[in-house]
Amino acid sequence: NAGVTQTPKFRVLKTGQSMTLLCAQDMNHEYMYWYRQDPGMGLRLIHYSVGEGTTAKGEVPDGYNVSRLKKQNFLLGLESAAPSQTSVYFCASSQWGTGTYEQYFGPGTRLTVT
Amino acid sequence: AQSVSQHNHHVILSEAASLELGCNYSYGGTVNLFWYVQYPGQHLQLLLKYFSGDPLVKGIKGFEAEFIKSKFSFNLRKPSVQWSDTAEYFCAVNAYNAGNNRKLIWGLGTSLAVNP
Repeated sequence: NAGVTQTPKFRVLKTGQSMTLLCAQDMNHEYMYWYRQDPGMGLRLIHYSVGEGTTAKGEVPDGYNVSRLKKQNFLLGLESAAPSQTSVYFCASSQWGTGTYEQYFGPGTRLTVT
Repeated sequence: AQSVSQHNHHVILSEAASLELGCNYSYGGTVNLFWYVQYPGQHLQLLLKYFSGDPLVKGIKGFEAEFIKSKFSFNLRKPSVQWSDTAEYFCAVNAYNAGNNRKLIWGLGTSLAVNP
């Protein structure tokens, strides 16, 4: 099993450009999450999904959109990138209700917005 | 709102020293507790977790943590650290029935540097 994968690994954008980050998991997990990690600020939840076709806002959703059209994929979109969105983005997945509550993380995407 | 506090932001130790990283949470109900580790340039990995039962939990690489309900704490310990333990450590809590039980609440992390 590949676990949680993310593409791309690195990206540089100019202010105002758009992009989509792809997260895929092969563990049949119901729940998926997008975080951003910035120095000294820990992990902050952007959006999450509790199942195919559902999405919900986390603590820092502004400037991002997400979609979960297939259970195994969770897409994070930036419609008009800003320098404040320079960060490392992590996707995670988990399965609740079976005792396996921990989140499994992808390798991350390092995004720089100039 | 629920929160997780990690008191030590940066810790520097020499090899073979003992480690204790503090984690406190603010929620009076049932909790699941986690410690994750992030080695330089890598993603987060689970070190150990507590759900129920024995409050002393053993994880990978010689780490352990003790859940003290009365103190709302879940401190991470290792008796003798190695240079390879240099990493960032995150405490996380799932607060049952608090309206957010599909999400984890994260501490800000503790950066550990172990000098050889």
